Amino acid sequence: DVKVTQSSRYLVKRTGEKVFLECVQDMDHENMFWYRQDPGLGLRLIYFSYDVKMKEKGDIPEGYSVSREKKERFSLILESASTNQTSMYLCASRRTSGGSFFGPGTRLTVL
Amino acid sequence: AQSVTQLGSHVSVSEGALVLLRCNYSSSVPPYLFWYVQYPNQGLQLLLKYTTGATLVKGINGFEAEFKKSETSFHLTKPSAHMSDAAEYFCAVMGGTGFQKLVFGTGTRLLVSP
Repeated sequence: DVKVTQSSRYLVKRTGEKVFLECVQDMDHENMFWYRQDPGLGLRLIYFSYDVKMKEKGDIPEGYSVSREKKERFSLILESASTNQTSMYLCASRRTSGGSFFGPGTRLTVL
Repeated sequence: AQSVTQLGSHVSVSEGALVLLRCNYSSSVPPYLFWYVQYPNQGLQLLLKYTTGATLVKGINGFEAEFKKSETSFHLTKPSAHMSDAAEYFCAVMGGTGFQKLVFGTGTRLLVSP
């Protein structure tokens, strides 16, 4: 059974903290993605990676960075969390010409 | 650039009634089109996708969608709603030159009443 896992389902952090969200896929997919999901806005792409150590900005990269040191793992980093980064974060992976598989999501609250 | 419009943030149906969720897309090249479903507190699950070939696409859980190029639409239907269909549904488009990214609509929440 193919799987995308995210390190936490729920996370509460304070303003200014550094936050790490981890995503692991077991399908040997080249491409991995981080989205945030907000009511009425759908899913918006933050960053994506098409290979190890490669990263590209999505539509809303400000305030975020990413790391992909291994093919199966893609990390999202909030360097200094702010309240407007309270959201649901979804990780996804896919082959170059395939459909995307999503993780269960991490609901992050920044106080 | 690609974009997706989903008409209606909420759709309510009775159990056994027809489900129709609307999706219109904009794409400068022949698109790939997707419908995803999200159940409460879960990630997104692929319902169906259109890439090439037959324009009527069948997916899981009895859902289907028809690609209509002349109307730039990809509406999702199910003949008879079930209580378990209550969820949020997202239409997405992928296309264009270079790296292929999914662009999502804002979602439609389907409510099913007994």
